[in-house]
Parts: sequence; structure tokens; C-alpha cells
Amino acid sequence: ILNVEQSPQSLHVQEGDSTNFTCSFPSSNFYALHWYRWETAKSPEALFVMTLNGDEKKKGRISATLNTKEGYSYLYIKGSQPEDSATYLCAFRGYSSASKIIFGSGTRLSIRP
Amino acid sequence: EAQVTQNPRYLITVTGKKLTVTCSQNMNHEYMSWYRQDPGLGLRQIYYSMNVEVTDKGDVPEGYKVSRKEKRNFPLILESPSPNQTSLYFCASSLATQGIYADTQYFGPGTRLTVL
Repeated sequence: ILNVEQSPQSLHVQEGDSTNFTCSFPSSNFYALHWYRWETAKSPEALFVMTLNGDEKKKGRISATLNTKEGYSYLYIKGSQPEDSATYLCAFRGYSSASKIIFGSGTRLSIRP
Repeated sequence: EAQVTQNPRYLITVTGKKLTVTCSQNMNHEYMSWYRQDPGLGLRQIYYSMNVEVTDKGDVPEGYKVSRKEKRNFPLILESPSPNQTSLYFCASSLATQGIYADTQYFGPGTRLTVL
């Protein structure tokens, strides 16, 4: 069974501070890595899809990097705002079975005003 | 409006009573998938479908069935629900043309199922 791990499980950050968290995945057999943002009582929404080693993606104050050789991705949030409070999920697809997707358990981010 | 819809949104049922949760998408997506979400466990894939009449098991398929007779619909069937299937269920779809799966998944609103 493939393991996708996210750390930390939860994070409390002061408004205005920047933060980052990690998604670890198997370094061999990489096909794609997805990041999703999931607000309470809503559905997960896609942030990024990353496919190449060294990929960097940016969307407003949120950015992500990818290292497929060592099997990790970082998600960064610059200048956290209360609306950034959500659970951030990463999801891994392996090359041998790209149609199958494995989610991490998420990092729950809370922003203190 | 492009969307994934699920019905019902909430369901309370009893052990052994067959039920179906419907999922429909209007984006002509080839790939559809079902997930369950349990506290502390994130989303776990139950079944997925790469196209009409093509389905495969995810990580937790036991106790579930699916079918993909039409491109837009992907119902989840619980033939004999048990309390351990109490969970939040999400359906999702993505374009995935020509077997390319590195694209965005769009999620439905979720179905909260309680099996007594």
C-alpha cells in the first residue's frame, strides 16, 4: 500500500504570518501530485496539479514546490488571512496506476485574527 | 453551470437496507471516482471509472458496487449497508482524455450517510 503523509496534522498561525507544510510520497513511480483546499462544510477544491520535478506553482498568496527525487512537496501560504483557514490535502498518483489516487490525511490550518 | 451533483445529501438508514447514492456530472468528463472521508483518515478512494463500462477498485471497495452505463452518471450502491459504512461520501470527476490523469478533479457536495 502506498503511503502519502502530510505534516503537521494541524497548525495554528497568527494572521499575517507565513506558513508552510509538507506532503511526502513514494519517490519512485511518480506520475502527478495534486493539492486541494477543503473548507468546512464544503467540497475539496483543486489548487495545483504538479507533474515535473522542480515544478513551482503559484496562485495568489499560495505556492507549492515539488521534489520527485526525494518524494516531497511543500505548500506555502504568505501573509495568512482568516479565509485561508481550511484543511489542505495532497493526493498522489503513481505511474504504474495513474488512474488511482491516494490522498494524505491533510493539514488543518487555523488562522488566528 | 459546470458541476458534479450527488443525491441524497443526507441519509439515515438501517443495517441491510440496500441504497444507492447517485452522482452526475455535466462536463463530459471521462474519469469519475467515489471517496469516503472518515475523521483522521483523509479521503480514501472506493471505486473509480476511466470511461463508460470501465471501473476499477480503489483502496476500500469492500461492501460497495458501482456502475458506469452512461458517461455522466456513476452511482454508488451499498447492497447491505453496515454501521462501519457510516461516513461522508464524495463523488468527483475529471476530464482525463487520452488516458492523461494529471488534471483537476471536481468534487460533488458530499453525501453524509448514517447506518444504524
